Amino acid sequence: DIVVTQSPDSLAVSLGERATINCKSSQSVLYSSNNKNYLAWYQQKPGQPPKLLIYWASTRESGVPDRFSGSGSGTDFTLTISSLQAEDVALYYCQQYYSSPLAFGGGTKVEIK
Amino acid sequence: QVQLVQSGAEVEKPGASVKVSCQASGYTFTSYAVHWLRQAPGQRLEWMGWINAGNGNTKYSQKFQGRVTITRDTSASTAYMELSSLRSEDTAVYYCARDARGCSGANCFGWSDPWGQGTPVTVSS
Repeated sequence: DIVVTQSPDSLAVSLGERATINCKSSQSVLYSSNNKNYLAWYQQKPGQPPKLLIYWASTRESGVPDRFSGSGSGTDFTLTISSLQAEDVALYYCQQYYSSPLAFGGGTKVEIK
Repeated sequence: QVQLVQSGAEVEKPGASVKVSCQASGYTFTSYAVHWLRQAPGQRLEWMGWINAGNGNTKYSQKFQGRVTITRDTSASTAYMELSSLRSEDTAVYYCARDARGCSGANCFGWSDPWGQGTPVTVSS
């Protein structure tokens, strides 16, 4: 089974500053036949289900602000919020969908400093 | 718009079973798979399994194999997740989510979007 690890567990960033979240998978999630990384990012606010932000590691979902970006390949990935807004306070999860069982990271809590 | 609406909160005793429904609207139900996931208090999101809504094929996490059954009713555009032999550790919010990738292979998985609103399940004597 692929294990997904996120860091840090939490971070506090000033409004307008950059927030960076890391995600590491225990095995590569890059499928060589199509050169795609099977990794997604989600945002979850209290009392709500997760909301998709990014898939294929770097493709932003329609309607997601462009301050959110995903990067990385193989086993190491990053979610960047380029200019933190108050509404970005939430938990963020990465997920691999390369193989069963699909697996999530432990989550990163983003707060305002 | 694409929407998944789940059944309401459940309270069950240890050893019992629970069945949660997930009604889809806004898209062709049989063209996409549906995932079932859960989130226990203070724990990470956990994938339980998946059903191809078109042909009914399922895939379960080994952790839940033998205790979970995922089915669907295409006439009602509804997927179901039944978990048996409940224990206190099964107390969680259970979610369904559409596999937005839209592939149909047995081991073809994608990202989850959208998600249902969640169904709290409490297991307590």
